[in-house]
Amino acid sequence: AQTVTQSQPEMSVQEAETVTLSCTYDTSESDYYLFWYKQPPSRQMILVIRQEAYKQQNATENRFSVNFQKAAKSFSLKISDSQLGDAAMYFCAYRSAQGAQKLVFGQGTRLTINP
Amino acid sequence: EAQVTQNPRYLITVTGKKLTVTCSQNMNHEYMSWYRQDPGLGLRQIYYSMNVEVTDKGDVPEGYKVSRKEKRNFPLILESPSPNQTSLYFCASSRRTGLNTEAFFGQGTRLTVV
Repeated sequence: AQTVTQSQPEMSVQEAETVTLSCTYDTSESDYYLFWYKQPPSRQMILVIRQEAYKQQNATENRFSVNFQKAAKSFSLKISDSQLGDAAMYFCAYRSAQGAQKLVFGQGTRLTINP
Repeated sequence: EAQVTQNPRYLITVTGKKLTVTCSQNMNHEYMSWYRQDPGLGLRQIYYSMNVEVTDKGDVPEGYKVSRKEKRNFPLILESPSPNQTSLYFCASSRRTGLNTEAFFGQGTRLTVV
């Protein structure tokens, strides 16, 4: 079974600075997808960024980018120019490319932005 | 607007009193699932459904039931709730197959069992 591990329960960063959230995963599959979700206090699950495992190029979405290291099974999220609205719980998630659309989530990292 | 609607958003109940959390999606998605979110554990899948009348257990199915009589609806049933089912629950839907089948989540239901 696949597992996802986020080893940082909490992180904090100064506004306008850069922060990196860590995520590692374990799988025997070669084809899969990885995601970062943001959960603000409203509890809504918001997709931040996704990465297909067969793509070597790291995904980027505006101020959000990932460092995908397939061999190391690592998928970190970098947030540049942090803003107060980035404060949230962030979840890393894995989904197989085969079979059911099950998402396997990490434990979450709570990000605080200091003004 | 494409959305997944869960109700209620908050619920406090007593041990043993049957309850149902409803979930409805308007995107004609085949795949629907329920997750529970607990501190330090992230989200874990309870049950899922690949299509109408097709349901299966996820990772933490004990104490829960589901049904999928219509494509748009996927209710979660707790026939005899216990305090260890106090949690935040999410319903999600997506297309069954495809390259970029993004999961859409409901707003969450905060359940407290006393």
